[in-house]
Amino acid sequence: GQSLEQPSEVTAVEGAIVQINCTYQTSGFYGLSWYQQHDGGAPTFLSYNALDGLEETGRFSSFLSRSDSYGYLLLQELQMKDSASYFCAVRDRSSYKLIFGSGTRLLVRP
Amino acid sequence: DGGITQSPKYLFRKEGQNVTLSCEQNLNHDAMYWYRQDPGQGLRLIYYSQIVNDFQKGDIAEGYSVSREKKESFPLTVTSAQKNPTAFYLCASSIGLGRTSTDTQYFGPGTRLTVL
Repeated sequence: GQSLEQPSEVTAVEGAIVQINCTYQTSGFYGLSWYQQHDGGAPTFLSYNALDGLEETGRFSSFLSRSDSYGYLLLQELQMKDSASYFCAVRDRSSYKLIFGSGTRLLVRP
Repeated sequence: DGGITQSPKYLFRKEGQNVTLSCEQNLNHDAMYWYRQDPGQGLRLIYYSQIVNDFQKGDIAEGYSVSREKKESFPLTVTSAQKNPTAFYLCASSIGLGRTSTDTQYFGPGTRLTVL
């Protein structure tokens, strides 16, 4: 089976850089995804790592290391609107289901 | 504009009643999903469908039922057998089951169900 662990909450200052970690135990998966969800809203796709290494999309970057069973989402130049919950997710290789972590609530302070 | 719609946005149910949540997509996606989210929690998969007239149970299917008669539609029924149905329900779709692609999931706005 799959399980993903994330910190429950992270606080950072506007303009700073923050890293949200995701560690996982899995028997096999296709890639690591990240989704953002504002309170009361729907999750929206942010980033995907199929291979080890860093993927950059504007202010957001995501990293995957399969050998370390670890990934992270890096948010730069934080803005107040980045306050949201962030979920990592893996697609199970055998069932093709997308398995989500419990999410990290990011609070950006002025 | 292409996207996923869910209705209603808010739904109130009396104990013992069945209710059906609507999910429609015009993205021409083959795969559709239903998730449940409880306050402060992640998303848990209820049911998913790879293609019309086919669907599979997710991790928490008990007390729920679905149908996939049309590619565009994947309604979820919350039955009276679901003992704790109060939650936020999210429908999603993707091009396929993403065996090798990024296969982004696109989510609808959600339905907030409350049992009175």
